[in-house]
Amino acid sequence: EAGVAQSPRYKIIEKRQSVAFWCNPISGHATLYWYQQILGQGPKLLIQFQNNGVVDDSQLPKDRFSAERLKGVDSTLKIQPAKLEDSAVYLCASRKTGINEKLFFGSGTQLSVL
Amino acid sequence: SQKIEQNSEALNIQEGKTATLTCNYTNYSPAYLQWYRQDPGRGPVFLLLIRENEKEKRKERLKVTFDTTLKQSLFHITASQPADSATYLCALEDTGGFKTIFGAGTRLFVKA
Repeated sequence: EAGVAQSPRYKIIEKRQSVAFWCNPISGHATLYWYQQILGQGPKLLIQFQNNGVVDDSQLPKDRFSAERLKGVDSTLKIQPAKLEDSAVYLCASRKTGINEKLFFGSGTQLSVL
Repeated sequence: SQKIEQNSEALNIQEGKTATLTCNYTNYSPAYLQWYRQDPGRGPVFLLLIRENEKEKRKERLKVTFDTTLKQSLFHITASQPADSATYLCALEDTGGFKTIFGAGTRLFVKA
C-alpha cells in the first residue's frame, strides 16, 4: 500500500514569510497527526485530526500556525508569519483508528527559516 | 509535570553485542508503549508495541520490556549490526485521548 505522502520535501523561507505543507495519509486512515521535530529532539505533537475534526491542538501556536483536513483526507499545515525558531522538520503521520495502532509517518518537510 | 526520558547520550557498541536502550516516564499511565526507529532524513518507523499487561515482547532480534511499577521500558537489540545504527524513539499514548507522545530518542552507533 502507498505510504504517507508529504510535500514539499524541503523549503527555505525568510522570517515573516508564510509557508504551507501538504500531507496525504494512507487511504482509510481516520486519524492524522502533524508533528514538529527540531534537530536533536523527538517529534512534538502539534495537532491531531479524527476524520475532519480536530481532536487536540493544545500544542499548536495558534497565533501563527493553522491546519485543516478537508473532507477527512488530505491535510495542510500553514505558518504565517514564520519565525526563526520554526526551523524544523514537519512530520505528518496517520493511523487507522484512534488507539492501539501504530503510526505511519511520511518523510517530512524540512523547513529552514532564515 | 509529564516527562518521557530516554538516554540523551549516544550509545556506541560493537557489532554482535546487545544494545539496551531505556525509556522512563513520569506522570503518565499509558495503556501501551511503542518503539520506533528513525534514520536521518526519514520519518520514524514502527518497531514494536507492548501493552501494560505484557511484561515482554519479542520480534526477531528485538525485545521490549515494560515495567509499569518502575514506569520504565527497556529496548534490546541482540546480535547488533552496523545496519541497526539509527535513532530509537519510545512513544506512549496519553491517557484520556489518542495523543501519541514521543521521547527525545537515543542515537545508537554499532561499529563493525
